[in-house]
Amino acid sequence: GNSVTQMEGPVTLSEEAFLTINCTYTATGYPSLFWYVQYPGEGLQLLLKATKADDKGSNKGFEATYRKETTSFHLEKGSVQVSDSAVYFCALSDLTGNQFYFGTGTSLTVIP
Amino acid sequence: DAGITQSPRHKVTETGTPVTLRCHQTENHRYMYWYRQDPGHGLRLIHYSYGVKDTDKGEVSDGYSVSRSKTEDFLLTLESATSSQTSVYFCAISGGGGSQETQYFGPGTRLLVL
Repeated sequence: GNSVTQMEGPVTLSEEAFLTINCTYTATGYPSLFWYVQYPGEGLQLLLKATKADDKGSNKGFEATYRKETTSFHLEKGSVQVSDSAVYFCALSDLTGNQFYFGTGTSLTVIP
Repeated sequence: DAGITQSPRHKVTETGTPVTLRCHQTENHRYMYWYRQDPGHGLRLIHYSYGVKDTDKGEVSDGYSVSRSKTEDFLLTLESATSSQTSVYFCAISGGGGSQETQYFGPGTRLLVL
């Protein structure tokens, strides 16, 4: 079946530190992969996505590369800001695009 | 931002009472979903709809029912609320157009069952 595993938090970083949040997946075929971000009191917002192997999704300084050989989609940012404090969810969609599977979320706190 | 609204945004109710949450979209998307979010569990799918009057169960559907009489509205009903249904509920939509579809979320409804 389809599933997503992401690193547990919480993660606390100092401003301008490098961020990595690990995400691995199990899926049939080649799903699309997503990172969503949830700011306090809000719904999930799409941060970036990749739809095929070796694609790199990027947005707001965040990047993630679809690695088929390691079934991974790790989220990275070179220099985090206080405003990046949020919960980050890794997700995949099945081959139909109709079913989505989410990781449990990783809470990030960036301190000045 | 995708046009998705949820109502109410907050609700406090008592055990045993019925509760209906509404999701409204202005995107004319075919698929609509209800999730609940709980600490340590991430997002769990309750029910989803793939068209008017077409619905199916998700991972945690017990105690919930849904209805979709119009493309734009998807209702989630707790027939007899229990304390275990205290949660944050999110509606989501997607176009259902294939493997490259993206899911968009509403702002959430925070439900407390006393």
